[in-house]
Amino acid sequence: DTGVSQDPRHKITKRGQNVTFRCDPISEHNRLYWYRQTLGQGPEFLTYFQNEAQLEKSRLLSDRFSAERPKGSFSTLEIQRTEQGDSAMYLCASSLFPGDRSTYEQYFGPGTRLTVT
Amino acid sequence: DAKTTQPPSMDCAEGRAANLPCNHSTISGNEYVYWYRQIHSQGPQYIIHGLKNNETNEMASLIITEDRKSSTLILPHATLRDTAVYYCIVRPNSGGGADGLTFGKGTHLIIQP
Repeated sequence: DTGVSQDPRHKITKRGQNVTFRCDPISEHNRLYWYRQTLGQGPEFLTYFQNEAQLEKSRLLSDRFSAERPKGSFSTLEIQRTEQGDSAMYLCASSLFPGDRSTYEQYFGPGTRLTVT
Repeated sequence: DAKTTQPPSMDCAEGRAANLPCNHSTISGNEYVYWYRQIHSQGPQYIIHGLKNNETNEMASLIITEDRKSSTLILPHATLRDTAVYYCIVRPNSGGGADGLTFGKGTHLIIQP
């Protein structure tokens, strides 16, 4: 199966440490998205890339968060100086643009669960 | 993007049709209705989308009212594996500009054996 993959699936870190997550999109997809999901809530959009260009960032993406997609393939999301409020599931998705009408859906990975202690 | 309203939870018996409602009274003419679902501990999964005509695929049917202010997702023969949170999302289908999906809290559908 060549779906969206994320690594690691789980991460436990101490407050103040830096963490980095990786997302590998579906190979032919040029758009890649990051979302955050806390318990009991729907996913919240953070940012997205088209190829290597970061086209949109949510106001939720504080300056401690940085995302990259240097070669237009995989992406990394780094959180510096983690806080307990950063504990969440971080989801990655990809899509093909411009696809036909049937391909505007986003395909999600399994997520990385971050716990900040 | 237009705001959507969904019931927080619903039950349905296995083998019966599950009908999940969504209100989107402020929907604009260029906005589509999308449905995603999220099974526990997995990422969301696309189900179906439509503009104004009813749509059907191998997973579900989408019924959109004539005034487009509400819609219903129908799972024709629900199974235990359909237990999930179902999200109704309204967004333009332009693919450009703001492209992130805006999820609400969704409806937690529980299929009872």
